[in-house]
Amino acid sequence: SQQGEEDPQALSIQEGENATMNCSYKTSINNLQWYRQNSGRGLVHLILIRSNEREKHSGRLRVTLDTSKKSSSLLITASRAADTASYFCGTDSGGYQKVTFGIGTKLQVIP
Amino acid sequence: EPEVTQTPSHQVTQMGQEVILRCVPISNHLYFYWYRQILGQKVEFLVSFYNNEISEKSEIFDDQFSVERPDGSNFTLKIRSTKLEDSAMYFCASSEAGYQETQYFGPGTRLLVL
Repeated sequence: SQQGEEDPQALSIQEGENATMNCSYKTSINNLQWYRQNSGRGLVHLILIRSNEREKHSGRLRVTLDTSKKSSSLLITASRAADTASYFCGTDSGGYQKVTFGIGTKLQVIP
Repeated sequence: EPEVTQTPSHQVTQMGQEVILRCVPISNHLYFYWYRQILGQKVEFLVSFYNNEISEKSEIFDDQFSVERPDGSNFTLKIRSTKLEDSAMYFCASSEAGYQETQYFGPGTRLLVL
């Protein structure tokens, strides 16, 4: 089964606008983590939200989790050109340590 | 802020050669991981390591792969006989505890097998 499928696959917005990316998963999870990856670089951890949490904020980032719908969203407010990157959600479930990632959303913020 | 480091950043090798990718996890972390990302594809889990042994591995992590923590700071991934399809970005990650904890990723080693 596919875990952590992001939607949309690509998103292009103007600087200053908000960007919303969604993630869906199929099996129950312990946590869901959002990461950013600049082209050809490593994964930068953004936020971890636990299965018993519904919303989390960090600076301009807001993450929600709806376990009944098996979905999460990442909102970036007042986007900047530097936010241009790919964004991935990763889930871990059961007693397993591995994080399962989706294909990501490629965000382009146009100055 | 402490971070995971990886060396080399790029590695080019001939098919059939052995490669060793190196990682220095964050110093107080106890769990270590390797992931890989083939160009344009998802980041895939390879293996997790705790208390000097493999705690979980994926189907990808077959007999040609091995991991080791040779000393108190390094964590290595060895690919015994590389294949063309091993070309990918390899990421090391570490976490303070096991599941339900944030995994911090290194910048990756880009491996190209010719």
